[in-house]
Amino acid sequence: GQQLNQSPQSMFIQEGEDVSMNCTSSSIFNTWLWYKQEPGEGPVLLIALYKAGELTSNGRLTAQFGITRKDSFLNISASIPSDVGIYFCAGRYSGAGSYQLTFGKGTKLSVIP
Amino acid sequence: ETGVTQTPRHLVMGMTNKKSLKCEQHLGHNAMYWYKQSAKKPLELMFVYNFKEQTENNSVPSRFSPECPNSSHLFLHLHTLQPEDSALYLCASSLALPGTSGSLVVETQYFGPGTRLLVL
Repeated sequence: GQQLNQSPQSMFIQEGEDVSMNCTSSSIFNTWLWYKQEPGEGPVLLIALYKAGELTSNGRLTAQFGITRKDSFLNISASIPSDVGIYFCAGRYSGAGSYQLTFGKGTKLSVIP
Repeated sequence: ETGVTQTPRHLVMGMTNKKSLKCEQHLGHNAMYWYKQSAKKPLELMFVYNFKEQTENNSVPSRFSPECPNSSHLFLHLHTLQPEDSALYLCASSLALPGTSGSLVVETQYFGPGTRLLVL
């Protein structure tokens, strides 16, 4: 099956710093999604990308759909303590007939005030 | 609050017990999903229902039995589980299945808070 490699696994950063994380795959995806999960809660969708090369922002978050359609990155600018959580990438494979999203293992973000 | 609720939030059960997890959404969504989230592993899709009909069973062992009596409710019946089944079980719903509409709004999955299951 398709696999997503998400890195880094965890990050400790100082408040105010910018953050960058990425996902790569050996397969082509036609949709990339980025979710955030806080302790005790389910994942919440942050950004969705549908086209190769697409760059989309949501407040301090910016995500890009790689040109090769095999990767995506998420940037968070000027981090704040409430950015703490686990960030997951997810992709939908281009293969026909699949309703599945493939998820990465997540990047755990800790922000030091 | 995403509009998707799950009960119970925590569950401890023995390997011979029978229990059920409940998911409820009043978002008017037609598709509902069960996911398993284990430590250090990606989210794993278990089952997909669309308009109460099961569309995907992702090779899940028969000790997990889903039930979708209507578009607003989804159950996961548990029977003779193993310790390795301990995990966070997440329910999600969306208006339409991924890839069927091209619309983010329609296909976005809203997750419940999950049920933390411990099998002893």
